[in-house]
Amino acid sequence: EAGVTQFPSHSVIEKGQTVTLRCDPISGHDNLYWYRRVMGKEIKFLLHFVKESKQDESGMPNNRFLAERTGGTYSTLKVQPAELEDSGVYFCASSQVSGWNEKLFFGSGTQLSVL
Amino acid sequence: QKEVEQDPGPLSVPEGAIVSLNCTYSNSAFQYFMWYRQYSRKGPELLMYTYSSGNKEDGRFTAQVDKSSKYISLFIRDSQPSDSATYLCAMSADLGLTFGEGTQLTVNP
Repeated sequence: EAGVTQFPSHSVIEKGQTVTLRCDPISGHDNLYWYRRVMGKEIKFLLHFVKESKQDESGMPNNRFLAERTGGTYSTLKVQPAELEDSGVYFCASSQVSGWNEKLFFGSGTQLSVL
Repeated sequence: QKEVEQDPGPLSVPEGAIVSLNCTYSNSAFQYFMWYRQYSRKGPELLMYTYSSGNKEDGRFTAQVDKSSKYISLFIRDSQPSDSATYLCAMSADLGLTFGEGTQLTVNP
């Protein structure tokens, strides 16, 4: 069974440009999460989808970030316009159930560099 | 102040050593505690999770939670070179995980 897949693995863009990250969760996983790790900091929660609905987007840093999950399958995270401080590794994770006993399966991440 | 504090290391030990990794936290609402392992250029992988205070053992790994001290530990016995990775503690009050910074561990053959 395929794990969580993220595209691209690396992206280098200039400040002001737009970047779209994609996540394909494990088939059948209704819960999809985005996390981010900026240099020298801990991994931080961005948002949580249950199917196509945003359950919790309290971690989204500002309105330059837009996450979608049309049809409750794959998800995209768009950054527009990108700023230098957006550089970091963006992780996607999925799980079958939500709650304390959920087991999150993480993708390998997208390394975003904004120059 | 960070909600979860974890010494980033790096930590280097010889093969066979007992490794102790620790995190402290400030949020009393945290009830669920996890340890993730992350290999280079990979995503975090869940190693162990515990609920509330106490110990949990899985093979060479033991997770310990002391809620009164707001302190959690992961012990690795008979450490192997394949254990070389970054270890992240994570905790949750309900939904959403709060991670520590991660400790980079190298086990030397």
